[in-house]
Amino acid sequence: AQKITQTQPGMFVQEKEAVTLDCTYDTSDPSYGLFWYKQPSSGEMIFLIYQGSYDQQNATEGRYSLNFQKARKSANLVISASQLGDSAMYFCAMREGRSNDMRFGAGTRLTVKP
Amino acid sequence: GAGVSQSPSNKVTEKGKDVELRCDPISGHTALYWYRQSLGQGLEFLIYFQGNSAPDKSGLPSDRFSAERTGGSVSTLTIQRTQQEDSAVYLCASSLGPGTGQTEAFFGQGTRLTVV
Repeated sequence: AQKITQTQPGMFVQEKEAVTLDCTYDTSDPSYGLFWYKQPSSGEMIFLIYQGSYDQQNATEGRYSLNFQKARKSANLVISASQLGDSAMYFCAMREGRSNDMRFGAGTRLTVKP
Repeated sequence: GAGVSQSPSNKVTEKGKDVELRCDPISGHTALYWYRQSLGQGLEFLIYFQGNSAPDKSGLPSDRFSAERTGGSVSTLTIQRTQQEDSAVYLCASSLGPGTGQTEAFFGQGTRLTVV
């Protein structure tokens, strides 16, 4: 069963504006971690940000922040002050503590317009 | 090594041939993952190794696919009797084991497999 859902196949944002990429997940494991990766056209997978299920505060890494709503099982990525170089595929992933394997969502293609 | 290394970077094979894809994880990483990514698509989970435990093979699409990990380090993904639908980028990732807090997976550059 699909455990990670990204409902936005594609998103557009104007340069310098903020954008939110959606991610919902499903698990019965109380211990889990949520990850966001960026995949530019070069194909490499770049780790962006991590949120643990027991973390009290939303994770932030520079222009990236994670809007973690545990009760809703959502972990949306917020990119502030978008740059042209942010154009890429973005993947949400979850690792459950019980199994430790990592599953990915289908991804969202973000295009930043000048 | 500095990162996850995959070889070959590109592989073109004829339909029906067997192929082996190699992954050399980061030293000390006990977890190793294989994913398949078709053009413009997401990452399809194939198999997961954790230390000496039995691997999670639940993502392997058919019995033509198999993988092994020798000595807890290098892994080989084998596809027998390749089909055109096997054409994709095969990504390998490794990470620290469970119970080590934030343990992001580090990815290799992938092997682009083309079956003609």
